[in-house]
Amino acid sequence: QKEVEQNSGPLSVPEGAIASLNCTYSDRGSQSFFWYRQYSGKSPELIMSIYSNGDKEDGRFTAQLNKASQYVSLLIRDSQPSDSATYLCAVPPEAAGNKLTFGGGTRVLVKP
Amino acid sequence: KAGVTQTPRYLIKTRGQQVTLSCSPISGHRSVSWYQQTPGQGLQFLFEYFSETQRNKGNFPGRFSGRQFSNSRSEMNVSTLELGDSALYLCASSAGQVYGYTFGSGTRLTVV
Repeated sequence: QKEVEQNSGPLSVPEGAIASLNCTYSDRGSQSFFWYRQYSGKSPELIMSIYSNGDKEDGRFTAQLNKASQYVSLLIRDSQPSDSATYLCAVPPEAAGNKLTFGGGTRVLVKP
Repeated sequence: KAGVTQTPRYLIKTRGQQVTLSCSPISGHRSVSWYQQTPGQGLQFLFEYFSETQRNKGNFPGRFSGRQFSNSRSEMNVSTLELGDSALYLCASSAGQVYGYTFGSGTRLTVV
């Protein structure tokens, strides 16, 4: 089992719809969870961080965390073509808090 | 506020050579991490430095090494380059795990 798993996609959504991305992780002790967006040929950009169970909203993005089920999700509301990118879930293991373990990323395509 | 600066942006090296990459973190950030990104393996953790000390190391051979200076700038070195070392090398700095990690633009290394 991989430490951090994501569906590779592509996840194709029409413009204006909600894109839903999921991520599962194996380390029950992990306390911090991050979502990065990476455009083709660019470096990852931090878009959301979440530390407590429940939802956290920032603009059109909502992160959801369920530690008991060991999953974290990202919702993108009112998806725009500019949201087309790869979204990476990153989780620092409990025993190595300053190391990020990344999922393989989910490629999102927003079609006008 | 200046971001994370990586130099050079692009490098072409021959097998067997060595290479040194540089990273200047965001001012005030004392943690610097290095990652390798390839299409096949995704983003993989190389090592992390804090106050000139290596705190974490990933599963890479000893040909990969790094260091951090007193001003938090960091360098990574790859000796005896192999074709498989061709990748995007990313540096990330952080003020602490709860604040997340900011990536530089990366150095794209091609080994021929």
